[in-house]
Amino acid sequence: SQKIEQNSEALNIQEGKTATLTCNYTNYSPAYLQWYRQDPGRGPVFLLLIRENEKEKRKERLKVTFDTTLKQSLFHITASQPADSATYLCAPLSQTGANNLFFGTGTRLTVIP
Amino acid sequence: DVKVTQSSRYLVKRTGEKVFLECVQDMDHENMFWYRQDPGLGLRLIYFSYDVKMKEKGDIPEGYSVSREKKERFSLILESASTNQTSMYLCASSPGRDWGGYTFGSGTRLTVV
Repeated sequence: SQKIEQNSEALNIQEGKTATLTCNYTNYSPAYLQWYRQDPGRGPVFLLLIRENEKEKRKERLKVTFDTTLKQSLFHITASQPADSATYLCAPLSQTGANNLFFGTGTRLTVIP
Repeated sequence: DVKVTQSSRYLVKRTGEKVFLECVQDMDHENMFWYRQDPGLGLRLIYFSYDVKMKEKGDIPEGYSVSREKKERFSLILESASTNQTSMYLCASSPGRDWGGYTFGSGTRLTVV
């Protein structure tokens, strides 16, 4: 069955550094993968979508890569700021539904001033 | 600018009560979803709908039902609330044809006592 692992539950980095979050999936090949940000007590907010034929996608300080051979996506935040502190969720397309996402449990990022 | 609205932010119900959670979106999206989110388990899909009057079971449908009488409204029903249904409930919508990101509501924190 499909499985997602996000590299760690929590990640602390210094302001100004690049944060790198990892998402590994097993047992299937999603056509695309999305990343979301979630703040405490709020719903997730969509950030980026990357398709299986795309190696990399950028949006402002965010960069996502998608390696279908390694079955892995990396999510980078450059020049991180304390306001970037949140939980980040990886969500590949589910293998069970035409348009369903399968969410990872997330990585809680803390950017230290 | 609110696009997905969940009727209640916090809700406290008694065991055995019938509970209705309402969700309305104003983006004319075909797809609507109900998730629950619990610590350590991430977001789990309860039910989803690709069209009016259409519904499909997600990963954990037991103890729940849904209704979609109009395109913009998707209701989650707990037929007989139990304490193990205490959770954060999140509604989301997405466009039908494009692989767009989900738009989530702010969530309903339900406590069953």
